[in-house]
Amino acid sequence: DVKVTQSSRYLVKRTGEKVFLECVQDMDHENMFWYRQDPGLGLRLIYFSYDVKMKEKGDIPEGYSVSREKKERFSLILESASTNQTSMYLCASSLRGPRTDTQYFGPGTRLTVL
Amino acid sequence: GQNIDQPTEMTATEGAIVQINCTYQTSGFNGLFWYQQHAGEAPTFLSYNVLDGLEEKGRFSSFLSRSKGYSYLLLKELQMKDSASYLCAVRDRRYSTLTFGKGTMLLVSP
Repeated sequence: DVKVTQSSRYLVKRTGEKVFLECVQDMDHENMFWYRQDPGLGLRLIYFSYDVKMKEKGDIPEGYSVSREKKERFSLILESASTNQTSMYLCASSLRGPRTDTQYFGPGTRLTVL
Repeated sequence: GQNIDQPTEMTATEGAIVQINCTYQTSGFNGLFWYQQHAGEAPTFLSYNVLDGLEEKGRFSSFLSRSKGYSYLLLKELQMKDSASYLCAVRDRRYSTLTFGKGTMLLVSP
């Protein structure tokens, strides 16, 4: 069974703080993704990575950065948190390949920025 | 880019059949996924279509017409636990990333 875990289910931070969201998968997946989910807007892709030390911008990368130092771990960084980054953050992973790249999601981190 | 449309909400009765539609416009189509998401939980994979036609998996089926930019998810013998949000997602040909629709909230009543 694919297991994607995220470091926290709930997180409360203050405006201006640096925030790290961690995601770990145990299925040796090459691809990893970070999304945010907001009511009325759906899931939106922030960043993704196809390999260690590799990253690509998604649809809404502004205000975020990522790090992938090991294959199983993909971190999302909010350099200076703002209230408009209050959201549910979801990490996903998948194998590489056109018929095998179903994305599997972690449980999500609900971040509140005060 | 991708543009994906699905109804915001639907209601149905336990034991009935419901069809959730999804239309898309895309610059590079490479497959369509359906996910289920219960409130407060992560999305879970339901089905995948890349060729035209119907894919059946138990009570759930998904249909794709690439020429019409159209898919539907069919849920039979509805159960209360099927109350959830259903997300349609289109895969991009170049990067294999997914673009999600805003989701359809399905409420199943007794």
